[in-house]
Amino acid sequence: AQSVTQLDSHVSVSEGTPVLLRCNYSSSYSPSLFWYVQHPNKGLQLLLKYTSAATLVKGINGFEAEFKKSETSFHLTKPSAHMSDAAEYFCVVSVPWGSYIPTFGRGTSLIVHP
Amino acid sequence: SAVISQKPSRDICQRGTSLTIQCQVDSQVTMMFWYRQQPGQSLTLIATANQGSEATYESGFVIDKFPISRPNLTFSTLTVSNMSPEDSSIYLCSVVEGGDTEAFFGQGTRLTVV
Repeated sequence: AQSVTQLDSHVSVSEGTPVLLRCNYSSSYSPSLFWYVQHPNKGLQLLLKYTSAATLVKGINGFEAEFKKSETSFHLTKPSAHMSDAAEYFCVVSVPWGSYIPTFGRGTSLIVHP
Repeated sequence: SAVISQKPSRDICQRGTSLTIQCQVDSQVTMMFWYRQQPGQSLTLIATANQGSEATYESGFVIDKFPISRPNLTFSTLTVSNMSPEDSSIYLCSVVEGGDTEAFFGQGTRLTVV
């Protein structure tokens, strides 16, 4: 079985400051990990994914995440927040054996202040 | 990457009625999933719909309430039956292609039950 825990329900930052959204996972097998973003009244968009290649993954819009097996973490970062980054972010784990069912974290709401 | 067309995009329905949501994919996929996203919540898996077999429902979801059809590798429907206001949610169709583990999502169906 797999699960994912997003440690913060809300993260508030000022525009131009760094962003850190935390995610820990649990999986019996080597997982694939993803970050999705959902802007208000919009669909889900893939930001980046880790699928057992490089542990530091770069995504769209300046986001990146680092897979740390020893810490079972996959935190999302961005050096400088922009107002347009305000959205809901979901960490997702999928196991490439068996059913591939994507399991979602509860989501982290990123608030960006001017 | 798979492109998913989901219909309707939104609907307002009377309690006690049923709504069928359609999900059309532009490529053949084995695994298709239906999720529910209640207001302010994360995505919860309703069921996995694989072509040629009965849908597999997650705990808390039953076939009588959420019947699913999967007649071929590019299409599925989810019906929300005997609706109540508690069924007001966004319903999303998702697919995983081939050996990839990335999930692709439809834009969702925003359902309001009055």
